[in-house]
Parts: sequence; structure tokens; C-alpha cells
Amino acid sequence: LAKTTQPISMDSYEGQEVNITCSHNNIATNDYITWYQQFPSQGPRFIIQGYKTKVTNEVASLFIPADRKSSTLSLPRVSLSDTAVYYCLVGDMGTSYDKVIFGPGTSLSVIP
Amino acid sequence: DTGVSQNPRHKITKRGQNVTFRCDPISEHNRLYWYRQTLGQGPEFLTYFQNEAQLEKSRLLSDRFSAERPKGSFSTLEIQRTEQGDSAMYLCASSPGGGRGRETQYFGPGTRLLVL
Repeated sequence: LAKTTQPISMDSYEGQEVNITCSHNNIATNDYITWYQQFPSQGPRFIIQGYKTKVTNEVASLFIPADRKSSTLSLPRVSLSDTAVYYCLVGDMGTSYDKVIFGPGTSLSVIP
Repeated sequence: DTGVSQNPRHKITKRGQNVTFRCDPISEHNRLYWYRQTLGQGPEFLTYFQNEAQLEKSRLLSDRFSAERPKGSFSTLEIQRTEQGDSAMYLCASSPGGGRGRETQYFGPGTRLLVL
């Protein structure tokens, strides 16, 4: 199992860029890195997924170094509505769905 | 809204009663997953369907839990003889299927169960 480690909580002021780093030292060759966002009383929402280097979409960027042992989710110019729990998942969600583990996530609090 | 839907959104029941939850996946998705989430924790995988076939069950899924997906469309999760420890958010997700690694699961809003 590719275990992940990420900070339990983070605080940021509105308008700042937030970077959440996830460690996954035993990532396997076929594993992808996926990030989800979850608001209270809602299901997780897909944010971004990558395999290596950098991926960017309309809401975030994902940076993955060459050794793939860590990844960093970057949220540009956060607002109060970005206050949520962010989960880093590592695995092959196409075949190893039961081994893709959601840890406790990182609780991000955006301060006015 | 064409996302994953779940009903009911909330359920309060007494210990020992049976409850059933329904999940309607995104229409073109052939994979469906059930998770359980307790306060402060991430979702835990319970079971997975490929079309109508239940292909995997977690050891977390005791004999009191049963899931079905008739005709490969909606799915139901039933809990028999509920216990207070069953109190949790039950999440359903679906994905297109067929992808390796790139598979993305889309979650519903969940059903919050409280067992008194």
C-alpha cells in the first residue's frame, strides 16, 4: 500500500497561495496521485490528478518531482470558500480501488 | 444535475432496525463504490461494483451489510440490525471504468446515518 503523509491542518489568509505537500515514499510505478476536496457534510470532490511533472487546471496545480516520492497541491489566491479538507491519494484507482486509502487529510482554514 | 445522487440524505433509526440507502450514479458510469466516513476521518472503502457484479468487498463490510446493483444502474446498501457503531456518513461514488490509474471517482453528497 502506498501510504501518504500530509499535514493535519494549515491556516492561510485570503488571497495567498497555499501549497499542501504530500509524502508518498513507496509510490509504485503504476500509481497516480489524486487530490480531493471535501466540505463538511458533502462528498469529496475531485480536484486534480497527475503522474509526473506538473499538471494545471482551472482550480489548482499539482507539482510532482522526478522521484515522485512527494507531490504538492498549489491553490492560487485562496478565498474563504476554499476552507475544506484536502486529501492526497496515491494508487491505481482503475484496479486497486480498495487499496487507495483516504487518510485524515489536511484541514485548510482560510482567514479573512 | 447529472452528478451522483443519494437518498435519503439523513436517516435516524433505533438500534436493531434495518435501513436501506440508495445511490444513483452518473448515467454512463459502469463502476460504483460505497464508502463509510466517520467524523474526522477520510472515507473508507466498503465495496465496489462493475456494472451489476459486486467484485470486491472490504473486511469492514460485516455480514449485516449487503449491497446490490440490479441491472447495473442504481445501487442500494442495506444495513440489518443496526448498531450504534454504524453511525457514519455513507458515501457513494461512480467512475467511468476501463481506465488504469487515471480512473476518477465522482462522489455523491452522502447519507448521514444516526443510530440511537
